Amino acid sequence: GDSVTQMEGPVTLSEEAFLTINCTYTATGYPSLFWYVQYPGEGLQLLLKATKADDKGSNKGFEATYRKETTSFHLEKGSVQVSDSAVYFCALSDLQGGSEKLVFGKGTKLTVNP
Amino acid sequence: EPEVTQTPSHQVTQMGQEVILRCVPISNHLYFYWYRQILGQKVEFLVSFYNNEISEKSEIFDDQFSVERPDGSNFTLKIRSTKLEDSAMYFCASTGIGYTEAFFGQGTRLTVV
Repeated sequence: GDSVTQMEGPVTLSEEAFLTINCTYTATGYPSLFWYVQYPGEGLQLLLKATKADDKGSNKGFEATYRKETTSFHLEKGSVQVSDSAVYFCALSDLQGGSEKLVFGKGTKLTVNP
Repeated sequence: EPEVTQTPSHQVTQMGQEVILRCVPISNHLYFYWYRQILGQKVEFLVSFYNNEISEKSEIFDDQFSVERPDGSNFTLKIRSTKLEDSAMYFCASTGIGYTEAFFGQGTRLTVV
């Protein structure tokens, strides 16, 4: 079945450091890819998405590019802030493969220190 | 901005009791979902619901679980006889026509004692 493999955390960075969180996927069809973020004590919020190969999703300084050849969707940010401390989830949905559900990775906890 | 709302935010129940978790999806959305997240683990799909019936469910969603859309606004998850291992955060989500992403509620933390 479909699956998402995400870089294990936790990740601790200093403010203004560069962030990469790796995500690779396995899917039957041609999935849409997402990054969701969960701030402490809150629910899941969509951070960015990409629906086809070579699409780049971006939001709040975060970016991720849909790489079909490497089945990857790595999350990057050039300069993290303390307010970026959260858990980040990579996810896919595979409508073409016949399923509308989201399949999540295990999540990566990011802590940014001042 | 429209949002998915869930109640209660936290529920404590005794093992063997029935619980109902409530969700109000975004008003013009047509696809509804329940997910759960056991503490420290990944978010797992439970069930999807469209046109007043279950469209997909996971192996977790066994006979003790049921979903219902009792009126035009609420979407509920019932757990008939709770077990300790049902303790988790339960998230409701909804999607509208033309959207590719799901919108999530804040979650209900269920604690079974």
